Amino acid sequence: GAGVSQSPSNKVTEKGKDVELRCDPISGHTALYWYRQSLGQGLEFLIYFQGNSAPDKSGLPSDRFSAERTGGSVSTLTIQRTQQEDSAVYLCASSLGLADYNEQFFGPGTRLTVL
Amino acid sequence: AQSVTQLGSHVSVSEGALVLLRCNYSSSVPPYLFWYVQYPNQGLQLLLKYTSAATLVKGINGFEAEFKKSETSFHLTKPSAHMSDAAEYFCAVSDPFREYGNKLVFGAGTILRVKS
Repeated sequence: GAGVSQSPSNKVTEKGKDVELRCDPISGHTALYWYRQSLGQGLEFLIYFQGNSAPDKSGLPSDRFSAERTGGSVSTLTIQRTQQEDSAVYLCASSLGLADYNEQFFGPGTRLTVL
Repeated sequence: AQSVTQLGSHVSVSEGALVLLRCNYSSSVPPYLFWYVQYPNQGLQLLLKYTSAATLVKGINGFEAEFKKSETSFHLTKPSAHMSDAAEYFCAVSDPFREYGNKLVFGAGTILRVKS
């Protein structure tokens, strides 16, 4: 079956611009996660959605970062007024939720470059 | 807070030799533990997971890992390295009781190089 998909695969933007990154989780997966992978910080958790519960936003690095999940499926991560330190690979993952021992399936990522 | 330490950012082995990638964790509760592999320009793929059943866990591609509570370790091994094993490997921990939420906490990663 189809895995987690992310778009775009690459995004180059200028400092100060806003960007939107999209994630399509595996069908039927109720949990969705965003992580960031950067050279200096490794793999960091950003935000987690589970069903209709309030999202866990504890990993978002600043108020320039936000995410939403519409209809319990597709998610969009938005970064406002991008900075050069936002350059990283943004990974999305999904899981079945509470019944799967937290096994997460990852998408290929979106590589963001802020000039 | 939970944390993961992977000893050795780079490991180099000869083809056919034993692969040993080290992972130690810190957690106030018995954790779930995972090993993921990442090939260049790809996402992470689950190799294996420990979820409080058998302490010796077998995964895909001939990898296995042993959970040792006394050593707080979850080292990844493979008896004989193959060229296709060259990749970056990540150890991760999560909290089964969700004290810390559902997120994975990753180690810094170990790049495995396989020499012919």
